[in-house]
Amino acid sequence: GQQLNQSPQSMFIQEGEDVSMNCTSSSIFNTWLWYKQDPGEGPVLLIALYKAGELTSNGRLTAQFGITRKDSFLNISASIPSDVGIYFCAGRRAGGTSYGKLTFGQGTILTVHP
Amino acid sequence: GAVVSQHPSRVICKSGTSVKIECRSLDFQATTMFWYRQFPKQSLMLMATSNEGSKATYEQGVEKDKFLINHASLTLSTLTVTSAHPEDSSFYICSAPDSNTEAFFGQGTRLTVV
Repeated sequence: GQQLNQSPQSMFIQEGEDVSMNCTSSSIFNTWLWYKQDPGEGPVLLIALYKAGELTSNGRLTAQFGITRKDSFLNISASIPSDVGIYFCAGRRAGGTSYGKLTFGQGTILTVHP
Repeated sequence: GAVVSQHPSRVICKSGTSVKIECRSLDFQATTMFWYRQFPKQSLMLMATSNEGSKATYEQGVEKDKFLINHASLTLSTLTVTSAHPEDSSFYICSAPDSNTEAFFGQGTRLTVV
């Protein structure tokens, strides 16, 4: 199935550094979601974006819905060791038979060194 | 937030046997649930859309006779891996959108076929 282009694939950073990752698509999405997945667990929703241009924060996390509706980015400020995990972007198109159906990025593996 | 519970979290079965995985929405009703498969360090790949009261919709390349889906009620969907083989070993995850259209994920099921 179609996937979003998520980059970078992996990041190795020092504790305290800021992190940025993004997703792009050739298709338009009406919703962008960012998830974090810990090993052996299901993804947990971090931020949801519903409007083009929307900028939303959740603690140290900030995400934006691109104006063109074909991209989104996630920033993590002042990283801490528990930020370690895999981050996924996901996009969703409008209603119809595809209601709720998500398209996922390939994931960004984040490693934070103390 | 909404909670989706998946059971079991881990299962080991012999080749040729069948395994049933349950996905429950605990505090909301879900007419639609989604089943994903995830290989190590890879993204989530949608297998099928489970629809309450009707047949599941399978993604291209997914064998409907091998991965049986039943959406018995508004809070329960089951995935049965029939005649499992070692290549079916994977991490299976369900998700369900709540009334706000957000997709919440279960904890995942690690299936190992020996």
